[in-house]
Amino acid sequence: ILNVEQSPQSLHVQEGDSTNFTCSFPSSNFYALHWYRWETAKSPEALFVMTLNGDEKKKGRISATLNTKEGYSYLYIKGSQPEDSATYLCAFIRGSGNTGKLIFGQGTTLQVKP
Amino acid sequence: GAVVSQHPSRVICKSGTSVKIECRSLDFQATTMFWYRQFPKKSLMLMATSNEGSKATYEQGVEKDKFLINHASLTLSTLTVTSAHPEDSSFYICSARKATDTQYFGPGTRLTVL
Repeated sequence: ILNVEQSPQSLHVQEGDSTNFTCSFPSSNFYALHWYRWETAKSPEALFVMTLNGDEKKKGRISATLNTKEGYSYLYIKGSQPEDSATYLCAFIRGSGNTGKLIFGQGTTLQVKP
Repeated sequence: GAVVSQHPSRVICKSGTSVKIECRSLDFQATTMFWYRQFPKKSLMLMATSNEGSKATYEQGVEKDKFLINHASLTLSTLTVTSAHPEDSSFYICSARKATDTQYFGPGTRLTVL
């Protein structure tokens, strides 16, 4: 059984706070780790695709790191804004990756208060 | 960009009827599309992989006769929930994969079976 775990499940922060969430995944047979941002009533939006151990990617105030040996990825948001409120999903692809099958975590729901 | 649409966004039907959900990639061709289902407070669960011009590959535990998938063109995949029952009520969401590993998601369809 492949489990992708995200923590915390939900998070409430004040505008301007920096925050981070964790995604844990099986460390064996790793191919890629995806991060998505999902706002209510919209499509999940791809943030990052991470493939190499030690990868660090950045998009504006959001960044992510990857440790494939221990099986975790962190997502950081610097100076949270109300528009960052969303559910953040991570998804793992194992093996050759040709199947493209994403195994999702339950998500971390972030609420940023003005 | 890469936009995926899904129709309808919400459907309510009577038990025993069949419901068709369409997933379209609007500005790119997708040889592979995926169908997911989300139960309340659970993660997105992959139901099946839809390949253009061939039969869909279903995940373990997903009834292929219940959930009919057709991928007739490079921009359209359909999911038909046949003889729907209340337990089929759920949120169904599709994604389409471009040449890279990134998958682009539709906004989802909320199915309620009375």
